This record gives sequence, C-alpha cells and structure tokens, in this order.
Amino acid sequence: DAGVTQSPTHLIKTRGQQVTLRCSPKSGHDTVSWYQQALGQGPQFIFQYYEEEERQRGNFPDRFSGHQFPNYSSELNVNALLLGDSALYLCASSFFSRYSGNTIYFGEGSWLTVV
Amino acid sequence: RKEVEQDPGPFNVPEGATVAFNCTYSNSASQSFFWYRQDCRKEPKLLMSVYSSGNEDGRFTAQLNRASQYISLLIRDSKLSDSATYLCAVNRENRGSTLGRLYFGRGTQLTVWP
Repeated sequence: DAGVTQSPTHLIKTRGQQVTLRCSPKSGHDTVSWYQQALGQGPQFIFQYYEEEERQRGNFPDRFSGHQFPNYSSELNVNALLLGDSALYLCASSFFSRYSGNTIYFGEGSWLTVV
Repeated sequence: RKEVEQDPGPFNVPEGATVAFNCTYSNSASQSFFWYRQDCRKEPKLLMSVYSSGNEDGRFTAQLNRASQYISLLIRDSKLSDSATYLCAVNRENRGSTLGRLYFGRGTQLTVWP
C-alpha cells in the first residue's frame, strides 16, 4: 500500500516563474492538505481539498492555488515565485473515522528553491 | 499570538539522559494532539498521539493538560538515534465539519551525543 507520494522531490525555479507540485494521497484517503515548511520553522497550513473543492485556507496569498482531481490526487500551484517561497512543501492526506478522528499522513515533500 | 508555542532549543544531551519538551497551544477548541519527529531534510513522521490520561511508548511518554493547554514529551535513556527535531501539533476541526487541520510548533532540535 503506497503512502502519500509527491513529485517532484527537488526543483529549482527563478523568481517570477510558476511551479506545480503534485500529490497522490494514501489509498483510501479523500482529503488532501498542503503545508509549507521554511527552514527552522514548523509546517504552515496552506489549504485543504475535499470533494474537489478548497475547504480551508491558511494565511497564504492568492498566488498559491490548488486543485483536487476525481481520483483524490492534488496539485499545488504557485505563481510569480518569490525568494521567500523557497521551502519544503508537504502534502498530507487524511480520512475521517468516527472511531479515530482524522489520521494524517505526510508525503516526503517537494523541496523548492527559488533563485 | 501563535496557535502553538514551542521552545526551539537546541537541546544537547549525553546518551542515557532524560529530556523533556514542552508545548503550549492557544485555542481551547483544539481536539487532538500529537508529537512528530522530523529528521534533517525529511518529512515529519508521527511519533505519538497525546491523550489526557497520558500515554507511553517505550522510552517516550506524552502528556496533555487541557486546563493549562500544555503538551509535553519525555524521552528517557536517550539514544544517539533520537537526534532529530520534535514538533508538537494540534488538530482542530472546523465547526460542523470533520475536516481537520494541523497547527505546528516550530520544533525543538535535539542532539544526543556519545
């Protein structure tokens, strides 16, 4: 059973460019969340997708957008990249159970460097 | 005020030492609580959930105090392999929704030396 998979694992972009990161959730999980983790900080919630709609959003500008597909996979898009967007981008998938609540699993992340 | 506050350390301890990490959260509506371990340049991995009754997993003990909005992690008999960053996280679900989101502390760096 594959866990949460993300691609690409590493990428380098230039300021002003656009980037798309991809995530496939753990089998059986229907909710995908994206987090940004800058060096020396804890992960910060970007947004969350469920039933192909954005359900929650953290304090991130509109340059950050996303999508969820019918197979539950998701993309994170960042436009007009800034140097400060350099970070580890983590995808988390989850499934709610009335017995155990939300159990959240992280992918290995995508390292984005903006130069 | 940040949702989750955590002492960033670093903590440098010898093998065999006992070390404790603490974390406070600001929103009393927070519903579930976790400790994650993160190795250098890797994703966070769930170490343990935290319950009001306290829970133990081998050398690791986690405690939650809802009244004080405080979470702790105790590591006994530290091993070299315990060197990592430890993140506390709280999960709060939107009212009327089962969709949760995690709020993380900035992490506490632990180095165990021989």
